[in-house]
Amino acid sequence: EDKVVQSPLSLVVHEGDTVTLNCSYEVTNFRSLLWYKQEKKAPTFLFMLTSSGIEKKSGRLSSILDKKELFSILNITATQTGDSAIYLCAVERQGGSEKLVFGKGTKLTVNP
Amino acid sequence: NAGVTQTPKFQVLKTGQSMTLQCAQDMNHEYMSWYRQDPGMGLRLIHYSVGAGITDQGEVPNGYNVSRSTTEDFPLRLLSAAPSQTSVYFCASSYGQGIQPQHFGDGTRLSIL
Repeated sequence: EDKVVQSPLSLVVHEGDTVTLNCSYEVTNFRSLLWYKQEKKAPTFLFMLTSSGIEKKSGRLSSILDKKELFSILNITATQTGDSAIYLCAVERQGGSEKLVFGKGTKLTVNP
Repeated sequence: NAGVTQTPKFQVLKTGQSMTLQCAQDMNHEYMSWYRQDPGMGLRLIHYSVGAGITDQGEVPNGYNVSRSTTEDFPLRLLSAAPSQTSVYFCASSYGQGIQPQHFGDGTRLSIL
């Protein structure tokens, strides 16, 4: 059975800290891994990763994929209170099934 | 450009009632899907569609029905609402797998009494 596991499930930090969120997966016919940020409403897209070892970066956020060890990390440096959200990891499978398998998410709280 | 629009935003139903959650996208996306999000469970796929006239079941399809008569619309029907269907429902769309990430609507918060 396909599985996506995120850790930790929740995390509380102070502004300015650096955090690392983890996502491991066991999925048949892996195609890509996606990270989303969810505040109060819809998940919003952060990164799509398809190749091992290539870091994707957007401002203070970065992410990398290890297809050999089947995991990805999402790093946030110099955290701000606006980074408080649930971060979702999802894996897309090949084969035309068009399905995303989501992890349970990591709830990040950044205190001032 | 409205993106993915879901209506209603909130709904309260009694057990046994039926209703339809609406989802529309104006981006000409072929792929659309419905998820439910429950506390501690992440998002789980209910049904999805790879194009007009084509639908398929996801992980948790029981109690729900979908149709895709047009590219733009993908309604989700609750046939006979049960308290276990209390959840937040998200609709998403994309051009297709591996091409572009899915874009989500703002969700419908549904309570079944």
